Amino acid sequence: AQSVTQPDIHITVSEGASLELRCNYSYGATPYLFWYVQSPGQGLQLLLKYFSGDTLVQGIKGFEAEFKRSQSSFNLRKPSVHWSDAAEYFCAVVLNQAGTALIFGKGTTLSVSS
Amino acid sequence: NAGVTQTPKFQVLKTGQSMTLQCAQDMNHNSMYWYRQDPGMGLRLIYYSASEGTTDKGEVPNGYNVSRLNKREFSLRLESAAPSQTSVYFCASSHRYNEQFFGPGTRLTVL
Repeated sequence: AQSVTQPDIHITVSEGASLELRCNYSYGATPYLFWYVQSPGQGLQLLLKYFSGDTLVQGIKGFEAEFKRSQSSFNLRKPSVHWSDAAEYFCAVVLNQAGTALIFGKGTTLSVSS
Repeated sequence: NAGVTQTPKFQVLKTGQSMTLQCAQDMNHNSMYWYRQDPGMGLRLIYYSASEGTTDKGEVPNGYNVSRLNKREFSLRLESAAPSQTSVYFCASSHRYNEQFFGPGTRLTVL
């Protein structure tokens, strides 16, 4: 069965430091992968997505993610974190062959210290 | 464009009461979804509708029913609410394979 694992429940990073959030997936075919961000009390916003092609994908707000098939990973990175990046981050993978539903990881909460 | 709208924003029910959560999108998307979000559990899919006229169960469908009223609207009904259904409910819509757009959520408490 398809699944998504985010090993880190909570991460604290100093403002200006680099960030990497981990995501591992289990999926039998070529995965479609997503990263979403949720600010407190808000809905989810798409940061970036991977369908095929270049394994390094750029997203909004200065985020990028790298797809590594050999490691079944899709880690999210940002070179310099801003205080406004404090939020919860979710990795997701397509649930079914029709590509119409996602399964989400349990999320990583990012805190930014000054 | 309003995107995805949900009503109500907040609701308190007593055990056994029923209610319907409403969702509408104005992006002409074929697919719509209902999720629940609980602390430490991420988002779990309740039901989805790949296209108008079709609905399918997700991970946690028990205790819920859905109706795809037309292409724009997708409602979620709790027939007999239970405290275990206390959660934040999100509706989303998408084109196939593409990003899902989320509504602002409904915070439901069942006493």
